[in-house]
Amino acid sequence: QQQVKQSPQSLIVQKGGISIINCAYENTAFDYFPWYQQFPGKGPALLIAIRPDVSEKKEGRFTISFNKSAKQFSLHIMDSQPGDSATYFCAASRGKAAGNKLTFGGGTRVLVKP
Amino acid sequence: SAVISQKPSRDICQRGTSLTIQCQVDSQVTMMFWYRQQPGQSLTLIATANQGSEATYESGFVIDKFPISRPNLTFSTLTVSNMSPEDSSIYLCSSSIGVSSYNEQFFGPGTRLTVL
Repeated sequence: QQQVKQSPQSLIVQKGGISIINCAYENTAFDYFPWYQQFPGKGPALLIAIRPDVSEKKEGRFTISFNKSAKQFSLHIMDSQPGDSATYFCAASRGKAAGNKLTFGGGTRVLVKP
Repeated sequence: SAVISQKPSRDICQRGTSLTIQCQVDSQVTMMFWYRQQPGQSLTLIATANQGSEATYESGFVIDKFPISRPNLTFSTLTVSNMSPEDSSIYLCSSSIGVSSYNEQFFGPGTRLTVL
């Protein structure tokens, strides 16, 4: 059973545009939601993370929006740049109490056209 | 953050053989994890490796196929045994850093395995 559903699978955006990736989770015990960025041939890199006690977190051009009642969270990439072209994964965890195990979404391949 | 290295970075192996992948972290960590990423797919947790205890395997993964060692707080190995072409994947190790309840998890660069 896929516990974290991610959409879209792929996304093409023009330079300067906004990339939006959505994730939905089923397990209400999840309480930590990181996003990872992965370039071809590299391991995933932690981008930004949020906990359910806040509805939004912003770091530079990257913003997470969190809707606890809907069990959804999303990543917004503002002013998208060609260097942002990568695969993005959302994930969810129950934190240290559950061994910090991450459950990943299916991934979104983002292509930013110059 | 942590610096995590893996060896080898890639390998091509014959069916029926085994490969051991090494993971080194630049600081002492309690928890290390091994993931599999099949071509074009997401990451799936294979097992959690805590120093001083047996590895804990996720559903669908067994110790006979993926034996893990964790001899100290900075190092772990994953062996892919009796390989078949279906084992062709990227294998990633990660570690959880910090003392909070929501420790950040950092990944190594991965080992790209091709089984012929």
